[in-house]
Amino acid sequence: GAVVSQHPSRVICKSGTSVKIECRSLDFQATTMFWYRQFPKQSLMLMATSNEGSKATYEQGVEKDKFLINHASLTLSTLTVTSAHPEDSSFYICSARNLRGMGYGYTFGSGTRLTVV
Amino acid sequence: GNSVTQMEGPVTLSEEAFLTINCTYTATGYPSLFWYVQYPGEGLQLLLKATKADDKGSNKGFEATYRKETTSFHLEKGSVQVSDSAVYFCALSDGGSGGGADGLTFGKGTHLIIQP
Repeated sequence: GAVVSQHPSRVICKSGTSVKIECRSLDFQATTMFWYRQFPKQSLMLMATSNEGSKATYEQGVEKDKFLINHASLTLSTLTVTSAHPEDSSFYICSARNLRGMGYGYTFGSGTRLTVV
Repeated sequence: GNSVTQMEGPVTLSEEAFLTINCTYTATGYPSLFWYVQYPGEGLQLLLKATKADDKGSNKGFEATYRKETTSFHLEKGSVQVSDSAVYFCALSDGGSGGGADGLTFGKGTHLIIQP
């Protein structure tokens, strides 16, 4: 079945530094990937849509200069949290659109727990 | 815009009990509806889906029917097991046809606890 690999699973960084999270589709090509943020005991909020070969589309209220998204190939999208602050601590999850198998479906990565200290 | 409302938990049941988790939605266009499950420390896994009215999605004993007239997609299982303990998310996607993003809109999630 379709697999999306997300790395790292956990990261701790100091305030002011940048962190890169990778999302890879392992056995299918994904022209579109999505980045979500999940706060404790809350739902997932779509942050941005990552389009291969073009600029990401950000949701209202998401700072594009803080959350840099690059989708350089059909199997890889990256999210870089720049100048991280403690309030950026959260669970980040990526998802890729998979048009094979079950057809119209989304496959999720296992998430990245970011802690900014 | 699109929205999904689901019952908030935690929902605590005994093993072999009947489960219903309510989910209603608001959307423009013709959305597809999904149930995802998140086990502790893991990402989301697709549980089942339905793409048009009156479709029934089913998997692992769970099922949900797409009810356009009541804008609902309630999740049911006849006999739950301890291993079903997880957080369940109802979600929709209109593929961008409603003018919004092409990603998923999620409900807040329902934490299900099954006791032996």
